[in-house]
Formats: sequence, structure tokens, C-alpha cells
Amino acid sequence: SQQGEEDPQALSIQEGENATMNCSYKTSINNLQWYRQNSGRGLVHLILIRSNEREKHSGRLRVTLDTSKKSSSLLITASRAADTASYFCATDAVNSGYALNFGKGTSLLVTP
Amino acid sequence: DAGVTQSPTHLIKTRGQQVTLRCSPKSGHDTVSWYQQALGQGPQFIFQYYEEEERQRGNFPDRFSGHQFPNYSSELNVNALLLGDSALYLCASSPTTAANYGYTFGSGTRLTVV
Repeated sequence: SQQGEEDPQALSIQEGENATMNCSYKTSINNLQWYRQNSGRGLVHLILIRSNEREKHSGRLRVTLDTSKKSSSLLITASRAADTASYFCATDAVNSGYALNFGKGTSLLVTP
Repeated sequence: DAGVTQSPTHLIKTRGQQVTLRCSPKSGHDTVSWYQQALGQGPQFIFQYYEEEERQRGNFPDRFSGHQFPNYSSELNVNALLLGDSALYLCASSPTTAANYGYTFGSGTRLTVV
């Protein structure tokens, strides 16, 4: 089963704009991770936020985590055409052992 | 430094056949996980191998089996292929203590069952 659910399913913006994607999950987590996937190929790890962290930055990425609401958001600032991809949140749930639970992803299109 | 290498890139098999997919982990990583990603879906955990043993298994039938070799590389075997097994199969590697570092994924093997 997929624990994480991303919202929106698809997002279309212009270069230079900010993109925000949200993820909700169901059970307690050790950490939450965001991955990017280009054209149905491999996933690239973007950022990991631990359950005791509330916000994390990496370059143009900003991730927030609200464990009380069981939700996270990924903000990409000043989007570029190269950011066009699918973005997945994955939870390392407390009772899931070593398995990552992925959502269905948000498809981001950045147009020049 | 090579990342995770998967082979083959694409594969077409006939229903009922068997298939073997291969994965070489990133240098320094000793743990290998396999995921199945159907079209339009997120990856689903199949199993994880560590120290040549299956450490954890997801909700997949016994037709899915694996192996890890002493050099940490891994194979995923699927027997009696079904049309529904058509998917992108992803291998992910990590160091033992990956709890807070994320996984490195390969580019995947696209399996089509006809």
C-alpha cells in the first residue's frame, strides 16, 4: 500500500515561478524523503527530513514537515525547465522496517 | 564513482517465462532493495537484501525471488511472468546505516510482458 499521497497530481508553471507540492501520510515516521524522477527513469534523492525536524533547505529546495498533521511540503524556488519531472515523497515509517512507502507523485511541468 | 548500475535497460518477455534482472550497488553500499513501479504509480517495495540474506519482503508473491552475492550485487528473479508484471524495476542501494541518508537508485529495467 502507498502511505504517502502527493497533491496536486499535476502542476504546470512558468520558469521563474515557485512550485509547491504537498504530501500527506498516515502513520508515524522516522523520516520523510523527497525524490525526483525524470521521464520514468531512476529516482534521484533530493532531501531527507527527520521526524524531529520541521524545516530543511538544500539549494532551491525547501522542505517542511508537520508531524501533528502528518504532512510535508516541497517548495522549489525560481523553477527552471530542467525541473520538469515527477516528484515523490517517501516515508520511512516506524513500523515498516526497511521499506520506503512512496506516494503516486506530482508531475511538474515548467515551461520556458 | 559509479552509482547504481542495472541491466538490462529494457526487456520483453512472453507470459509464463522467467526473467532475471541485475543490479550493482554504489561503491561502499552493502544493502540492496528492489522496487516495482507500474505506469503512473509510485514505486512499491519488493524486498531488501543485506549480508546475502533477504532482510525484509514486501507484499509480493513467491514468484519474485532474489539473491545477493558476496560483492553486494544482486539479482531479482521473476517466474511465471504475468502481464501485470510489466513495470519499471528499480534497484536502490544504501550503506548499512542508511536510516537518515536516503537511497541511491539505478535507472531501472523496463520489463514488458506480452
